[in-house]
Amino acid sequence: DAGVIQSPRHEVTEMGQEVTLRCKPISGHDYLFWYRQTMMRGLELLIYFNNNVPIDDSGMPEDRFSAKMPNASFSTLKIQPSEPRDSAVYFCASSSPGGRRSNQPQHFGDGTRLSIL
Amino acid sequence: DAKTTQPPSMDCAEGRAANLPCNHSTISGNEYVYWYRQIHSQGPQYIIHGLKNNETNEMASLIITEDRKSSTLILPHATLRDTAVYYCIVRPSGYALNFGKGTSLLVTP
Repeated sequence: DAGVIQSPRHEVTEMGQEVTLRCKPISGHDYLFWYRQTMMRGLELLIYFNNNVPIDDSGMPEDRFSAKMPNASFSTLKIQPSEPRDSAVYFCASSSPGGRRSNQPQHFGDGTRLSIL
Repeated sequence: DAKTTQPPSMDCAEGRAANLPCNHSTISGNEYVYWYRQIHSQGPQYIIHGLKNNETNEMASLIITEDRKSSTLILPHATLRDTAVYYCIVRPSGYALNFGKGTSLLVTP
């Protein structure tokens, strides 16, 4: 089975440019998560969706960040305008909660390494 | 969220069992114990999870104490490829994961 697919793998752009990160979750999963990882802050949750609906976006740093999930097989994380402090590795993960006595784990993509110059 | 405490680093000789401890004394009855690992520059990889019973899969075993206040992840025969940061996370089912600093495991030849 295909895992979580993220694109691009690497992105280098100049400050002020719009950046769009993409994620295709595992088919059949109804939860989708966006995380960011930096040396200073480690892995932190930005936002997550359930059945394409944003459930918790309290981790989104500021209004420059936005995320959408137009359908069950696609999500985007957009930064506009981008700043050097946004440089990080961005991970997407998906999961299905499973039944009452068990639950499915989150499966992560390989991440997008973003560098803002 | 229940807070977890893990040692910052551990060493293990190749071929030996690696036992990674985790304390979660404030765990609630509906919270699962999850273990993930992250090998350098890759995405976190799921290892195992459990609620109150011990669990085993092809990668590892998870031992949860009867009072559920601590757990141990066991890699039965560590290899060099098991060198990674290991995260113990306590969360209710269906919620986002709260990664802490984890344990950096170094497997040596």
